Amino acid sequence: AQSVTQLDSQVPVFEEAPVELRCNYSSSVSVYLFWYVQYPNQGLQLLLKYLSGSTLVKGINGFEAEFNKSQTSFYLRKPSVHISDTAEYFCAVIRMDSSYKLIFGSGTRLLVRP
Amino acid sequence: DTEVTQTPKHLVMGMTNKKSLKCEQHMGHRAMYWYKQKAKKPPELMFVYSYEKLSINESVPSRFSPECPNSSLLNLHLHALQPEDSALYLCASSQSPVETQYFGPGTRLLVL
Repeated sequence: AQSVTQLDSQVPVFEEAPVELRCNYSSSVSVYLFWYVQYPNQGLQLLLKYLSGSTLVKGINGFEAEFNKSQTSFYLRKPSVHISDTAEYFCAVIRMDSSYKLIFGSGTRLLVRP
Repeated sequence: DTEVTQTPKHLVMGMTNKKSLKCEQHMGHRAMYWYKQKAKKPPELMFVYSYEKLSINESVPSRFSPECPNSSLLNLHLHALQPEDSALYLCASSQSPVETQYFGPGTRLLVL
């Protein structure tokens, strides 16, 4: 069965500190991987995606993520966070089989404190 | 341009009302989606249209009726909703069902 796990429901961090948000998936077929951000009372915005090629992908707002196939992980990182990064972050996958559904993790709330 | 627009932004309706949510994209995408999102939860897929044909219905109650009049527009017709249907309704589009999905800002629906 397909699943996406975001173990951390909330990650508190001080401004200018680094952050890492964890995402693990399980799938018997290849997947595409995505990170979306949702600011309060807004829709989802694509941060970055991994389709193929280099396992380190760079996204918007200074975020980057690393795909690790052996660990089935796709961790999101930022070296120095800002107050404005406070938001909900969703990891998501698309399976490369007939389902082609975007499967979301449960989300991680990043709370940046001054 | 990766913009998906949705109207209205907010909607309050009674359980006997009929209303519609609208979604529009001009990116030439051929797949469009409706999601429902409850507070502090990830979006849940409701419907997928591919090349203007309904390809996925995630066992959504018939009080929700999707419509895709053309490749740029997606509607969600609402009738006889229940209070538990109150949520953020998100529209998304992608070049094809396997491509990156781009989301609109959502319609926040309150059913009284």
